[in-house]
Formats: sequence, C-alpha cells, structure tokens
Amino acid sequence: GENVEQHPSTLSVQEGDSAVIKCTYSDSASNYFPWYKQELGKRPQLIIDIRSNVGEKKDQRIAVTLNKTAKHFSLHITETQPEDSAVYFCAARYRAGYALNFGKGTSLLVTP
Amino acid sequence: GAGVSQSPRYKVAKRGQDVALRCDPISGHVSLFWYQQALGQGPEFLTYFQNEAQLDKSGLPSDRFFAERPEGSVSTLKIQRTQQEDSAVYLCASSLGTKISNQPQHFGDGTRLSIL
Repeated sequence: GENVEQHPSTLSVQEGDSAVIKCTYSDSASNYFPWYKQELGKRPQLIIDIRSNVGEKKDQRIAVTLNKTAKHFSLHITETQPEDSAVYFCAARYRAGYALNFGKGTSLLVTP
Repeated sequence: GAGVSQSPRYKVAKRGQDVALRCDPISGHVSLFWYQQALGQGPEFLTYFQNEAQLDKSGLPSDRFFAERPEGSVSTLKIQRTQQEDSAVYLCASSLGTKISNQPQHFGDGTRLSIL
C-alpha cells in the first residue's frame, strides 16, 4: 500500500509571507496527488490536485510541484492571508487502488 | 443537492450499541468512499463503492463495520457493538467517475461519533 509522509506538522508564518508544505510517497505507481484544506469542524476541501504526467500546476496564490523521481510533491502558498489558516492534507492515490492515502496534516497559522 | 450530505452530524452512543451513518452523495456521482478521521489525523480509507458494487472494503477495521449502497446512490455505514476506539469523524466522499478517470473526491461534513 501507499505511505504518505507530510512535513512540517505545524507551520506559522506572517501575513504576506509564503508557506511550503512537503510530502513524500512510497509507491512509484501512484499517479494522482490532491491537496485538501480543512478548517476546524468542517469538511476537507480540495484546493488543488496534480496528476503524474504533470510537473507543476498553479492556481492563483497556490501551486503544487511534483518530483516523480524523488517521489515527493509540495504545496506552495504565496502572499498568505489569515484566512489561509487551517489544516492542510496531502494525499496520493496508488494507480491500482481506489483510496486516497492521506498525510497526517500540517496546521498552518497565518498571523496578521 | 449541491454537495455531499451526511447525517447525523453528531452521534453519541453507549458502548455496545449499534449505529448507522448516512451519506447522500452528489447526484450522478458513480464513486463513493467512506473514510475515518481520528482527532488530529488525516482521513483513513474504509471502503469504496462503484455504483452499488462494493469494490474495496480492505480498510474496514473489523467485521463489526458494514457498508451498503443498494441503489447506487445513498450509502449507509453501520457499526455494530460499538467500542470506544470507534469514536472518530466518519467522512463520506463522492466522485464523478471511476478510479481510472482520477476525478476529484468531494467530501461531506462528516458524522462525529462519540462512544461513551
């Protein structure tokens, strides 16, 4: 099965700075990598995803990069705002499987 | 509906009782997933349905857990003889296609289950 490691577990940045969260996965056959944002007591919300045939994807202030050789992918948030504060989860889906395998999450705090 | 709907939002049960959790996926979504999320952890896969067929139940922790989706839309997760370690948030997600299409999974708000 797939094993996903996520770092750091907590991250505090000043408003306007960038935040980077990194994940590694174990199975080279994984082909789909979404990122979810979860606010306290709320549902996980998909913020961006990337497939294994793409190296980078950007959506406004959010970008994700994928290094298939090293088996890691990263979330980059630029010009952070207090409303970006939440727990962020990375996930990977093994090509032959159905489930998403999630990291343990990163609690991001953006201070004004 | 506009999104995945789960009920109840909160459930408190005594140890040993049976519980049933409901998920109403986005209309037309073929795939339905159940995940368990312990406090401070990421969601962990329980089971997957493609229409009414349960294609993967490898994540169900024990035979006390049972899920069904008889008509390919609404799904129910049942836990029999609940134990304290069953306390968690149970999340349902649906996606438009099958695994091959790698469509995004959309989550519901979850059911927070507390076993006393």
